[in-house]
Amino acid sequence: DIQMTQSPSSLSASVGDRVTITCRASQSIANYLSWYQQKPGKAPKLLIYAASSLQNGVPSRFSGSGSGTDFTFTISTLQPEDFATYYCQHSYNTPPAFGQGTKVEIK
Amino acid sequence: QVKLVESGGGVVQPGRSLRLSCEASGFTFSSYAMHWVRQAPGKGLEWVALISYDGSDKYYADSVRGRFTISRDDSTNTMYLQMSSLRVDDTAMYYCARRVAAANMAFDPWGQGTLVTVSS
Repeated sequence: DIQMTQSPSSLSASVGDRVTITCRASQSIANYLSWYQQKPGKAPKLLIYAASSLQNGVPSRFSGSGSGTDFTFTISTLQPEDFATYYCQHSYNTPPAFGQGTKVEIK
Repeated sequence: QVKLVESGGGVVQPGRSLRLSCEASGFTFSSYAMHWVRQAPGKGLEWVALISYDGSDKYYADSVRGRFTISRDDSTNTMYLQMSSLRVDDTAMYYCARRVAAANMAFDPWGQGTLVTVSS
């Protein structure tokens, strides 16, 4: 099974900051990598698919990059509504797997 | 709009069974593979099971294989998760999600979840 390692597990940032989260796969997953946002008490929401494609309706301050085993998720200018937990996930094969999550907290 | 609604959660004793439902609307349900994903309290996301668009292929996480059964009824646009021999560590919020082939198999959308608590 492919394992996903996400870092950091948490971070503190201020409104307006640039935030970067990394995700590493235990083997190549091409670009079968998605990023999700989850707010407390809510279901996850798809933000990025195919490593770098922005889901319809998602603000352009969110972006993703990478291929193979190493991926990056960036929020260019952190907004108050962006404080949440973010997960990477591979869909290269079955079982799909999630990273352990990154909680973005207010500094 | 595309929507998924889970139901069937509740409090159940260890060793007992429970069936979850996921009702889909706003899209051609019979054209999509579907997933179950769970999240234990305060923990991350764990994939549970996948059923193909036509129900012919089913896949399970090692942690539930042999105890859980995924199924679907395209006549009612509903997916199910039959859970048996439940354990305390099955306690979680259970989400259903659509697999989107056009988005490199990403999960979208997700339902709001249904909470399963296994406790004596």
